[in-house]
Amino acid sequence: GAGVSQTPSNKVTEKGKYVELRCDPISGHTALYWYRQSLGQGPEFLIYFQGTGAADDSGLPNDRFFAVRPEGSVSTLKIQRTERGDSAVYLCASSVEGGSPLHFGNGTRLTVT
Amino acid sequence: GENVEQHPSTLSVQEGDSAVIKCTYSDSASNYFPWYKQELGKGPQLIIDIRSNVGEKKDQRIAVTLNKTAKHFSLHITETQPEDSAVYFCAASLGSNFGNEKLTFGTGTRLTIIP
Repeated sequence: GAGVSQTPSNKVTEKGKYVELRCDPISGHTALYWYRQSLGQGPEFLIYFQGTGAADDSGLPNDRFFAVRPEGSVSTLKIQRTERGDSAVYLCASSVEGGSPLHFGNGTRLTVT
Repeated sequence: GENVEQHPSTLSVQEGDSAVIKCTYSDSASNYFPWYKQELGKGPQLIIDIRSNVGEKKDQRIAVTLNKTAKHFSLHITETQPEDSAVYFCAASLGSNFGNEKLTFGTGTRLTIIP
């Protein structure tokens, strides 16, 4: 079956602009996660959804970052007033439920110039 | 919060030999430890995981061992093949008690298999 799908695969934006990154989880997976991976590092947790609600957003670095999952399936990560330090690969993962293994997408590589 | 350290950062082994990657964690409450393989331009792929109620788990050429007392766990790959070349990440979380939502990852090991 289809895995986790993330679009776009690459995004280049200018400093100060707004961006949206989309994640389509595996069908039927109730839990969805966003992670951020900087070059040469492991992924870092950003936010976790169980259904439509954000169960844990403690990893969001500041209030420029926001994520939604209005119908409990597709999720969008939104970044306002982008900064060069936001450049990274943003990974989405889903799991059957909160206690199950995570399946990652291939990520969106965000470059802020 | 949890801190996971991973060693070595790079590892080169001859094809057919074994590779071992080691991780330590800081939070004694962690009880779920997955290993991921990441190829260039791809997302991490789960290759094996272990929960704290067992000390070892094996899946064909891959095995993971866990020492909860010492708070360390290791990945063992036997009979290595060129397709094993990738970056490997260990991770830890509070697991089934709280959900696997907050994995803390190590910094990765770049494994190169020399033909």
